[in-house]
Amino acid sequence: RKEVEQDPGPFNVPEGATVAFNCTYSNSASQSFFWYRQDCRKEPKLLMSVYSSGNEDGRFTAQLNRASQYISLLIRDSKLSDSATYLCVVIPNTGGFKTIFGAGTRLFVKA
Amino acid sequence: GAVVSQHPSWVICKSGTSVKIECRSLDFQATTMFWYRQFPKQSLMLMATSNEGSKATYEQGVEKDKFLINHASLTLSTLTVTSAHPEDSSFYICSARDSRAPAEAFFGQGTRLTVV
Repeated sequence: RKEVEQDPGPFNVPEGATVAFNCTYSNSASQSFFWYRQDCRKEPKLLMSVYSSGNEDGRFTAQLNRASQYISLLIRDSKLSDSATYLCVVIPNTGGFKTIFGAGTRLFVKA
Repeated sequence: GAVVSQHPSWVICKSGTSVKIECRSLDFQATTMFWYRQFPKQSLMLMATSNEGSKATYEQGVEKDKFLINHASLTLSTLTVTSAHPEDSSFYICSARDSRAPAEAFFGQGTRLTVV
């Protein structure tokens, strides 16, 4: 089983749609969780951290379920500019903060 | 946020030659840097963890003699792809940790390596 698993997609949605991504992780000792966004041929950029209590940043909402070992990202009112690959990132509290990436979920937002 | 500079952004080299990629933390000290490789339409795969002043820790399946990592200072790590072959063509990205925010990773711009 992979350490971090994501639905690769692609998700094809119209502008204004709400889309949700899920990610599961296998290491119960995982400590920190993030969502990154990666545009084609570019480096990943931090989108948001994920906290146990859930957190929201504008149109983006991230949630963590430690019991079930999954995190989610909800994007409301999708924009064309949201088209990208979204990477789920998990950092265990052992191994020197080695960052583990999911394979990414590709999102296409169409007009 | 912290800035990580990676150079070169792209390189084309002949098979059998070596290529060095630099990763610099510009405004913070990075005791640990990570090197990743990403093939088209695939995920970022961690190759090795680079620790300042000590040997790098390589992930399973990554040849340490082929991918030489040097982390001689708190702001610079280098990855050298030795005797490069076409199958080494990939997107290489480094990330660094700021000790002030150790759980967040700051990425270099990436290096697209094409071996012909």
